[in-house]
Amino acid sequence: QQQVKQSPQSLIVQKGGISIINCAYENTAFDYFPWYQQFPGKGPALLIAIRPDVSEKKEGRFTISFNKSAKQFSLHIMDSQPGDSATYFCAASRNTGNQFYFGTGTSLTVIP
Amino acid sequence: DSGVTQTPKHLITATGQRVTLRCSPRSGDLSVYWYQQSLDQGLQFLIQYYNGEERAKGNILERFSAQQFPDLHSELNLSSLELGDSALYFCASSAYQGGGETQYFGPGTRLLVL
Repeated sequence: QQQVKQSPQSLIVQKGGISIINCAYENTAFDYFPWYQQFPGKGPALLIAIRPDVSEKKEGRFTISFNKSAKQFSLHIMDSQPGDSATYFCAASRNTGNQFYFGTGTSLTVIP
Repeated sequence: DSGVTQTPKHLITATGQRVTLRCSPRSGDLSVYWYQQSLDQGLQFLIQYYNGEERAKGNILERFSAQQFPDLHSELNLSSLELGDSALYFCASSAYQGGGETQYFGPGTRLLVL
């Protein structure tokens, strides 16, 4: 059973547009929600993360929106650039030192 | 560079064979996680070790095993290999920072089973 469901599977956005990737989870015990970015041939790298005590976190052009009641969180990439083209994974975990549950990934292509 | 090293980078082998993948975590990190990434499955968690002890087990086949040594490096052993085991294998080590645990992924080992 997929603990974290991610959509869409792929996304094509024009340069300067907004990219939005959505994730949903079931386990209310999850308390940490990171997003990872993976470029071809590389391992995933942490992009931004949020805890459920806040509804939004922004770092530069990247924003996580968190809806605790709906058990959903999303990544927004503002002013998308071709260099943002990568695969994005959402994840969830419970407490520290526990297993991370990853979404299935979204392949983002930003066209010039 | 995440600070996590994995060897080898590429591995080509035949069905039925056995291979060992090696991972060295970042200096000071006690946890090591192993993941399998294939095209249609995303990142599949296999197993986690913490300071030499197995902590969590995911979708790891019985043909696969792992261990973490006293110097904290870890090895993932894959035996009786099948075509479907062809994938990217990542290890990650973790550290608690910024209010949560960050996993640092290595560059991966690409396994091709022919």
